[in-house]
Amino acid sequence: NAGVTQTPKFQVLKTGQSMTLQCAQDMNHEYMSWYRQDPGMGLRLIHYSVGAGITDQGEVPNGYNVSRSTTEDFPLRLLSAAPSQTSVYFCASIHRVGTEAFFGQGTRLTVV
Amino acid sequence: DAKTTQPPSMDCAEGRAANLPCNHSTISGNEYVYWYRQIHSQGPQYIIHGLKNNETNEMASLIITEDRKSSTLILPHATLRDTAVYYCIVTFGATNKLIFGTGTLLAVQP
Repeated sequence: NAGVTQTPKFQVLKTGQSMTLQCAQDMNHEYMSWYRQDPGMGLRLIHYSVGAGITDQGEVPNGYNVSRSTTEDFPLRLLSAAPSQTSVYFCASIHRVGTEAFFGQGTRLTVV
Repeated sequence: DAKTTQPPSMDCAEGRAANLPCNHSTISGNEYVYWYRQIHSQGPQYIIHGLKNNETNEMASLIITEDRKSSTLILPHATLRDTAVYYCIVTFGATNKLIFGTGTLLAVQP
């Protein structure tokens, strides 16, 4: 198992550009989430999914879209990048309630 | 969703036990307590979790009070590599959301 794979690892965007951060897991986990972490801060939940076809907003959803067409993939879309979205983004997956979450290694995004 | 409160920082001498406290006074009966840590800017690493009973694994022990309003993570023999930010998290069962707080920066001193 590769676990949770995030691509790309690094990305620089210009203000107003759009892009998709990819997250894939090969563990057949039902639950997947996206977080952002700003310097010196804890992780904040952006969006999450409890299964294919089901997504919901987290703490800081504005400016981001998600979809969950398959169990394996949970892409995060930035619609129009802003400097305030400069952050490290983490994806996580959980098999079922009461089990541990697995995190990807993060995508470091800079918006200039 | 339940909230957690942790001290912002703690020190521990290498080789000694590190005891990290967490308050979760609004926890509900079906909510789990999880502990994760983050070293530098890596992805969070799972340590341990529990519902009602105390738990132990190869990394740590988790002590949950009888009323479940607080818990303590114990690293029995801290090493320099245990220096990290430790997060105590309470999840809501149906959605399995993990809402991170600000965590405790544990500094293990030689």
